[in-house]
Amino acid sequence: EAGVTQSPTHLIKTRGQQATLRCSPISGHTSVYWYQQALGLGLQFLLWYDEGEERNRGNFPPRFSGRQFPNYSSELNVNALELEDSALYLCASSLLKGLATQETQYFGPGTRLLVL
Amino acid sequence: DAKTTQPPSMDCAEGRAANLPCNHSTISGNEYVYWYRQIHSQGPQYIIHGLKNNETNEMASLIITEDRKSSTLILPHATLRDTAVYYCIATYTDKLIFGTGTRLQVFP
Repeated sequence: EAGVTQSPTHLIKTRGQQATLRCSPISGHTSVYWYQQALGLGLQFLLWYDEGEERNRGNFPPRFSGRQFPNYSSELNVNALELEDSALYLCASSLLKGLATQETQYFGPGTRLLVL
Repeated sequence: DAKTTQPPSMDCAEGRAANLPCNHSTISGNEYVYWYRQIHSQGPQYIIHGLKNNETNEMASLIITEDRKSSTLILPHATLRDTAVYYCIATYTDKLIFGTGTRLQVFP
């Protein structure tokens, strides 16, 4: 069974440009999560999508946005790139959370974004 | 989500058991304890999780104290490939909050 896939693996942009990162969840998973791992800041929760809707977002400005498609894949868009947006962006997926159970998140390999 | 505390680093000889502790003294009744590891800036790899009972899978064992205020991840026979940063997370939401983790170095 294929795991979570992300593309591209590396992305180089200049300040002010827009970046689009893509994620395909594990087959059967309906929830997609995005995390940012910037140097020295650790892994930080960005966004959670489920059934096409944004369910939760972390403490990030509105220029970080995304969407989830009917096939449950997802895009993360970062507008007006700043130098400090340089980071590893990780996508994770899980089954739809049940009423009383915790669903495990499985991570992809990440997209490394460099803003010059 | 409850705050977790882990030692910043640990060493372990290859072939020996690696016991990684985690303190989560403010954990609430519905929060699970999750363990992930991250090898060299790859995506975090799920290891194991539990609520109250001890758990074992093909990768590791998780021992949770009766009061649930702490837990220990056990890698029974550490190999060089187990060198990684290990994260302990206590959560009941869909938002995983990663701390700084424990950097485990397995040496020959």
